[in-house]
Amino acid sequence: GIQVEQSPPDLILQEGANSTLRCNFSDSVNNLQWFHQNPWGQLINLFYIPSGTKQNGRLSATTVATERYSLLYISSSQTTDSGVYFCAVEGNFGNEKLTFGTGTRLTIIP
Amino acid sequence: EPEVTQTPSHQVTQMGQEVILRCVPISNHLYFYWYRQILGQKVEFLVSFYNNEISEKSEIFDDQFSVERPDGSNFTLKIRSTKLEDSAMYFCASNADRGDTQYFGPGTRLTVL
Repeated sequence: GIQVEQSPPDLILQEGANSTLRCNFSDSVNNLQWFHQNPWGQLINLFYIPSGTKQNGRLSATTVATERYSLLYISSSQTTDSGVYFCAVEGNFGNEKLTFGTGTRLTIIP
Repeated sequence: EPEVTQTPSHQVTQMGQEVILRCVPISNHLYFYWYRQILGQKVEFLVSFYNNEISEKSEIFDDQFSVERPDGSNFTLKIRSTKLEDSAMYFCASNADRGDTQYFGPGTRLTVL
């Protein structure tokens, strides 16, 4: 099946810093989503981005499908941005399931 | 905005007991999923369901697991005889079509003692 790798596994930053999280995947995809898992365990949808670039406030994401990677940018980090960020992909094989990466744990220090 | 709901939010059960986790997907969605996340690990796919039948299941989804859409709104996951290793957060998700955004519910945290 499709492989998804995220880097870095852990990231600790001061409040106000910018960060870039990376997701590499091993094959072509129909769907790519970025999630933020909050301290209560809920998965919050950030972006649906199988290709191209999107922005939502301080967050933006870019997927280069031909090179099989996606980047999530967080600017001017706040403590509420802390948590685990997951990338998940649906491979282009007619299956609908999402395959998740192992996540990046982001800690923002005041 | 429509959302996926799940009940209960927490469930504690004894090993060997049956549990049913319930989900109400978004009303016009056609594809339904269950995923689970063991504490500290990544989210894993369990099963997908379309047109009243399972379309794909993972190796985790053995004979102890079953899914059902008993009416037009609910989607349930049953674990027949729970094991300690079934302790996890269980997420339900739905989407309108293949390749579309999957919307996740808030999860049910299952603890097996």
